[in-house]
Amino acid sequence: DAGVTQSPTHLIKTRGQQVTLRCSPKSGHDTVSWYQQALGQGPQFIFQYYEEEERQRGNFPDRFSGHQFPNYSSELNVNALLLGDSALYLCASSLFTGNTEAFFGQGTRLTVV
Amino acid sequence: GNSVTQMEGPVTLSEEAFLTINCTYTATGYPSLFWYVQYPGEGLQLLLKATKADDKGSNKGFEATYRKETTSFHLEKGSVQVSDSAVYFCALPYGNNRLAFGKGNQVVVIP
Repeated sequence: DAGVTQSPTHLIKTRGQQVTLRCSPKSGHDTVSWYQQALGQGPQFIFQYYEEEERQRGNFPDRFSGHQFPNYSSELNVNALLLGDSALYLCASSLFTGNTEAFFGQGTRLTVV
Repeated sequence: GNSVTQMEGPVTLSEEAFLTINCTYTATGYPSLFWYVQYPGEGLQLLLKATKADDKGSNKGFEATYRKETTSFHLEKGSVQVSDSAVYFCALPYGNNRLAFGKGNQVVVIP
């Protein structure tokens, strides 16, 4: 079992650009959640996808959007990048039913210059 | 809403010392409580959990007891090793499988 995999591991973008991050959940999981972890801070919940729909959303602007595919993998898109979007972006997978353990990927380190 | 508060600042200690990291929570009802660990350059790993009041979670020599009277879930280890150097996060769930994390505590163990 490969666990949760994220790509790419590192990324450098310029202000104003757009970025797409990808996540493959742990085998058997159907729910993907995305978190932003700024340097020196705890992860902050961005949103969650289940059955290809956004189910919950944290306090993030509409520049942050996502998608889930029929194979449960997910993408996080960020438009009009700001310097403040520089962070580690973590993907977590779980089962939608019940309060199950969330498994995290290693993250994508995004640097906006 | 549900939230957790961790003690401020990094923790530096010598090998074989006793480690305590404080965590207090605010929550509706009695949710599960978690400690996650983040080793350098890696994502988060679940270290231990407790699903109800008075439960004690334990793993790899770490322990934490869910205390509803003090709304706390402090992490302890009796004798730390250099390999325990990492960032530790207290977390609790809210909504459906979304987690609220504390700010984290960097632990540095010196040989």
